[in-house]
Amino acid sequence: EIVMTQSPVTLSVSPGERATLSCRASQSVRNSWLAWYQQKPGQAPRLLIYGASTRAAGVPARFSGSGSGTEFTLTITSLQSEDFAFYYCQHYTDWPLTFGGGTKVEIK
Amino acid sequence: QVHLVESGGGVVQPGRSLRLSCAASGFTVSNYAMYWVRQAPGKGLEWVAVISFDGSIKYYADSVKGRFTISRDTSKNTLYMQMDSLRAEDTAVYYCAKDGLEGYCSSGNCYTHNWFDSWGQGTLVTVSS
Repeated sequence: EIVMTQSPVTLSVSPGERATLSCRASQSVRNSWLAWYQQKPGQAPRLLIYGASTRAAGVPARFSGSGSGTEFTLTITSLQSEDFAFYYCQHYTDWPLTFGGGTKVEIK
Repeated sequence: QVHLVESGGGVVQPGRSLRLSCAASGFTVSNYAMYWVRQAPGKGLEWVAVISFDGSIKYYADSVKGRFTISRDTSKNTLYMQMDSLRAEDTAVYYCAKDGLEGYCSSGNCYTHNWFDSWGQGTLVTVSS
């Protein structure tokens, strides 16, 4: 099983600033098959990024994904009020599919 | 427009059974792999099960293997999860989710893509005596 570790657990950022979230895999994620999701309290997750760097339909350009192998990053430039939420990474290289423990992006 | 609506959650005693449903609209479940993902209260996301677009592939997380069964009814465009021998640790919001791309078969093997581009609103299952 590939274990996904996200850091930091909580990220305090001021509106308008940049947020950088990390996701590390316990073994190489083949073909960069990694996705990022955003979840707000009481809501279902929303797909942001797949293939490590491809934005899903309707996702603003301030969200970008990068990385390969075992190290991946989600960057949110110029944080907006609606971006304060939980973020999860997920590999889809093999079974079982696993998620990281999440990063909470909160208002500083 | 894709829409997923889960139902069937509730409070159930340990050892009992429950069946969840996920009604899909805006697409055809026979073209996409479908998934169940759960989230225990205050916790992160856990993938539970998958059924491929053609129904030939079914995989489960070890935590539910042998107790949960995923299925679908293409005539109703609906996904199901039969949950037997429920335990307290199965308490969670259960989401159904749709694969990001249509499934396909090649050289006798069929494939799923395994990322989730649409999610339902979730249904809460509470296992408690």
